[in-house]
Amino acid sequence: EIVLTQSPGTLSLSPGERATLSCRASQSVSSSILAWFQQKPGQAPRLLIYGASYRVSGIPDRFSGSGSGTDFTLTISRLEPEDLAVYYCQHYGSSWTFGQGTKVEIK
Amino acid sequence: EVQLVESGGGLVKPGGSLRLSCGAFGLAFSNVWVSWVRQAPGKGLEWVGRIKSKTEGGTTDYAAPVRGRFTISRDDSKNTLHLQMNSLNTEDAAVYYCTSGGGTADYWGQGTLVTVSS
Repeated sequence: EIVLTQSPGTLSLSPGERATLSCRASQSVSSSILAWFQQKPGQAPRLLIYGASYRVSGIPDRFSGSGSGTDFTLTISRLEPEDLAVYYCQHYGSSWTFGQGTKVEIK
Repeated sequence: EVQLVESGGGLVKPGGSLRLSCGAFGLAFSNVWVSWVRQAPGKGLEWVGRIKSKTEGGTTDYAAPVRGRFTISRDDSKNTLHLQMNSLNTEDAAVYYCTSGGGTADYWGQGTLVTVSS
C-alpha cells in the first residue's frame, strides 16, 4: 500500500507570500493519478489539481502542481486570505490514499 | 450543476448498523464510479470504498478497516448510492462524504455525521 507523507504539518505565511507544500510517496507512483484537494474550515474538500499538474476549471492560476516519481509539490504563488485551509494530496489508483494534510495559516 | 446529497447519519451504539444514502443530481450517474470518503473529528481524509459503473462491472472495492463490515450498492434508476455499515465501532465515527468523478473525487457532497457511542 502506498503511503503519502505531507510536509510541513503547518505552514504560516503572510498574504502575497509563496507557499510550497510537499507530498512524498512511499514508492514511485504515476503522476497521472496524483491529486490535490483543498478543505476550508467547515466545508467539504474541493479538487484543485489532478494528474499532478492539471488545474481544475475555475481554480485560480496561483495554484499549481508539479512533480513525479515519489515527490510532488503544490505551490500557491501568492497567498490570499481565502487560501486558509488544509491541503491534502491523494493517490487515486486501484484504491485511494490520502496524505495526512498540510494546514496553511495566514499571518 | 452537479449535486451530491448524503443522508442517514446519526447516533448508533457500538455493534449497531446504519445505512447511509447519497442522491446524485446533474450528472449521468449510471456512467460514473462513486466512492465514500470519511473524516473522523479533527482528522484527515480516509477512503472507505467505491463502486464502479454497471457497464464496467459494478464491482466494489473497500479499504481494509471496513472490508467485511461495510457494503456499497447503487440504484441507478434512482441515481442513489448506499453505504450499509454493520458492526460499527467507535473508530467508525466520522463525517461520511459521497464523491464521484472521472478518476478521483471531482464532486463531493456536504457529508453526513455518524456518531458511535453507548
